[in-house]
Parts: sequence; C-alpha cells; structure tokens
Amino acid sequence: DAGVIQSPRHEVTEMGQEVTLRCKPISGHDYLFWYRQTMMRGLELLIYFNNNVPIDDSGMPEDRFSAKMPNASFSTLKIQPSEPRDSAVYFCASSLALIRRPTDSPLHFGNGTRLTVT
Amino acid sequence: DAKTTQPNSMESNEEEPVHLPCNHSTISGTDYIHWYRQLPSQGPEYVIHGLTSNVNNRMASLAIAEDRKSSTLILHRATLRDAAVYYCILRDGLGLGMRFGAGTRLTVKP
Repeated sequence: DAGVIQSPRHEVTEMGQEVTLRCKPISGHDYLFWYRQTMMRGLELLIYFNNNVPIDDSGMPEDRFSAKMPNASFSTLKIQPSEPRDSAVYFCASSLALIRRPTDSPLHFGNGTRLTVT
Repeated sequence: DAKTTQPNSMESNEEEPVHLPCNHSTISGTDYIHWYRQLPSQGPEYVIHGLTSNVNNRMASLAIAEDRKSSTLILHRATLRDAAVYYCILRDGLGLGMRFGAGTRLTVKP
C-alpha cells in the first residue's frame, strides 16, 4: 500500500495566484480529511469527506478556500486568491470506516504540501 | 470535540521508559482515546488507541484510568527515533473529524 499521496510536496506562489493541492487517499478508505499546520495555530482540521461528500467544512477559514472530492481516489484543496497568511503545511489524511464503530478507525496521513505564498 | 491537556514538553534518556500523560476530564462514554505522533518534517503517525481497557501494540502501550479522565502513553524503551510531538486526541461519537491540540514534544537524550 502506497499510503496517502499528496502533491506537490512544495509549492511557492505569489499573492493573488490560485493554488491547488492534491490528495490520493488509501484505496478503500471511506473518509478523507484536510488539515493545515502552522507554528502559531498547530494542526487545524479544515474539512472532511465521507464517501466523497463533505461532512464538516466549519474549519475552512474563508471563501477563498474550497475542497472537492470528485471520486473516491482523489481530492483537491484550492485557494483562490492566495495570501501570505495561507503559508503553511497542508496535510491530507484518510481512514477506513468500520461500519459498527466509525470512530474507532485511525487516520493515515500523507507527508504534506508545504505552501509558501510571497 | 472534547478537549485534552498535555504537558508542552518532556525529556527522556535513551533506552529508558517514557510515560506521556494526557488529561481528558470531559470525555464522554463513546469517545475513543487516540494517540498520534509527528516526527520532524513528516505527517502525524498513528500510535495507538483505546476505549476503556489498556492496550498494547508493537509501538507502545496505552494505560487508561478507571474513570477514563486521563490516560498515559508508555514507550517501553525510548530510542532517538522516538523524538517527536505526541498528540492525545478524543474521537467522539457524534463527528468523525479529529481536532489536534498542541501535543507534547518529547526529547530523547543519548
């Protein structure tokens, strides 16, 4: 199993540009999570999906952020327009939902995308 | 999500046991206790989880207090590769998203 795959590993862009981060979850996993990590705020949950449907997007900072999951093997997090304060490491994670105990399933994280907005 | 409290940092000597505490006084009956760790420049990594009983796996042991208001992650013999930030998280029965606190930064001295 290749694990959760994120691309790109590093992204440097200028303020105002559109940024798209990509994630391929582990095959067969039902849940997909997007997190953002900064020194000041730590790991923040942005949004998560169940069977490709967004369940909770209350952590998405503002309308500039959007996330999609068009199929079970792919998700994107888009920032448009990007701002310097969006600079962070963005992690994607997936988990398998145990039918009877959905809260029991651990999360598997990717290695993250380090975004720098200048 | 119910909140957890962990010390900001801890130190250990190599090859000695490490006990990482976590308080979760507002835990509900259906909350699972999860532990993750994050090595430098990597994503968080699952360590162990439990509900009521103590748990053991190849990485660590989890001791859960009888009232479930606290738990302790036990690394039986710390190695330099165990230096990381350790997160204690409650995974609730209402929502499946997991929210991380600041964690405990473990330093292992040779």
